[in-house]
Amino acid sequence: AQSVAQPEDQVNVAEGNPLTVKCTYSVSGNPYLFWYVQYPNRGLQFLLKYITGDNLVKGSYGFEAEFNKSQTSFHLKKPSALVSDSALYFCAVRDPLDSNYQLIWGAGTKLIIKP
Amino acid sequence: NAGVTQTPKFQVLKTGQSMTLQCAQDMNHNSMYWYRQDPGMGLRLIYYSASEGTTDKGEVPNGYNVSRLNKREFSLRLESAAPSQTSVYFCASRAGGTQYFGPGTRLLVL
Repeated sequence: AQSVAQPEDQVNVAEGNPLTVKCTYSVSGNPYLFWYVQYPNRGLQFLLKYITGDNLVKGSYGFEAEFNKSQTSFHLKKPSALVSDSALYFCAVRDPLDSNYQLIWGAGTKLIIKP
Repeated sequence: NAGVTQTPKFQVLKTGQSMTLQCAQDMNHNSMYWYRQDPGMGLRLIYYSASEGTTDKGEVPNGYNVSRLNKREFSLRLESAAPSQTSVYFCASRAGGTQYFGPGTRLLVL
């Protein structure tokens, strides 16, 4: 069965430090991978996606993610965290053979950046 | 360009009442989706519409119906609300592989 796991419910990082939010997946074939961010009382906003090509994907707000096929991971990273990065982050995967473009979502990771 | 809009923002229902959640997008996207978000469970797909005139069930369709009225609008109806349907509901539309979300409707069923 296809699935996405975000193993950490919450990640705490001091402002200015690098941050990593972890995501692993299980899907047949080559996946399409996504990261979204949700600020309090708001809808989800697209951050970045990996479909093919370079394993390091750059996205909005200085975030990037590294696709690792052997470890079936797609961790979200940022070199220097800001307090304003505090939010809920979701990883999602799409089976490229699914013509309906349905996404399988992780449970989300709450990122807290402390001043 | 408002993107994806949803109404209402917040609603309280009594068990057994019905209501329709409205969603509209102005990005000329063919595909639209309805999700529910519950704490610790991520997003779960209720229904989706690949194009105007078509709808399909997602992961958790029971207790819901949808209508794709035209290309812009995709509504979600609860015929007889239950406390288990207390949740935050998000509508999304898709361009290429990327989904774009509305601000959500917070629903409380007493």
